[in-house]
Amino acid sequence: AQSVTQPDARVTVSEGASLQLRCKYSYFGTPYLFWYVQYPRQGLQLLLKYYPGDPVVQGVNGFEAEFSKSNSSFHLRKASVHWSDWAVYFCAVSITNTGKLTFGDGTVLTVKP
Amino acid sequence: ETAVFQTPNYHVTQVGNEVSFNCKQTLGHDTMYWYKQDSKKLLKIMFSYNNKQLIVNETVPRRFSPQSSDKAHLNLRIKSVEPEDSAVYLCASSWTGVGEQYFGPGTRLTVL
Repeated sequence: AQSVTQPDARVTVSEGASLQLRCKYSYFGTPYLFWYVQYPRQGLQLLLKYYPGDPVVQGVNGFEAEFSKSNSSFHLRKASVHWSDWAVYFCAVSITNTGKLTFGDGTVLTVKP
Repeated sequence: ETAVFQTPNYHVTQVGNEVSFNCKQTLGHDTMYWYKQDSKKLLKIMFSYNNKQLIVNETVPRRFSPQSSDKAHLNLRIKSVEPEDSAVYLCASSWTGVGEQYFGPGTRLTVL
């Protein structure tokens, strides 16, 4: 069965600094991968998605992620973090053509002024 | 732009009561889901449903049941709530076979 691991439960960065949130997946087939963000007291919003193709995908608000088959990873990056990025970030994997999503446990991002 | 709507936003009730939460999507999707999010933000799929098939997570207690009138609506009923049911319940929708899901804002349930 597929699984997703987000090794860092909490990450703290200073505003303006760069960011990387880690995601490792386990799946023997071709994965579809997603990053979602959850702002306080809200539902999840899709940041970006990877469907097989270009390994670097661009998302909203300056986020991007890079798929690596050799490392089984899909790390999220942002060049310069803003205070409004303070949220919980979830990585998810979908089995090809089923639509079922398996989520990681989430990473809480705190932004220091 | 919200396209998955949930009511109520919050609900406080006592142990043993019955509650029902509503979810409506205006995206034209054919599959809807209910997730439970606990106090540690962990997400657990409870049900997925389209007009052909209901898939139940086998760990979901029997007091939980989904109710659908059409493909745009999927409500959640809890027959006799227990303290461990306190959580945020998130509704989502998608096209069948596509992993990209759209989420509602959630209903926060507190069981006293």
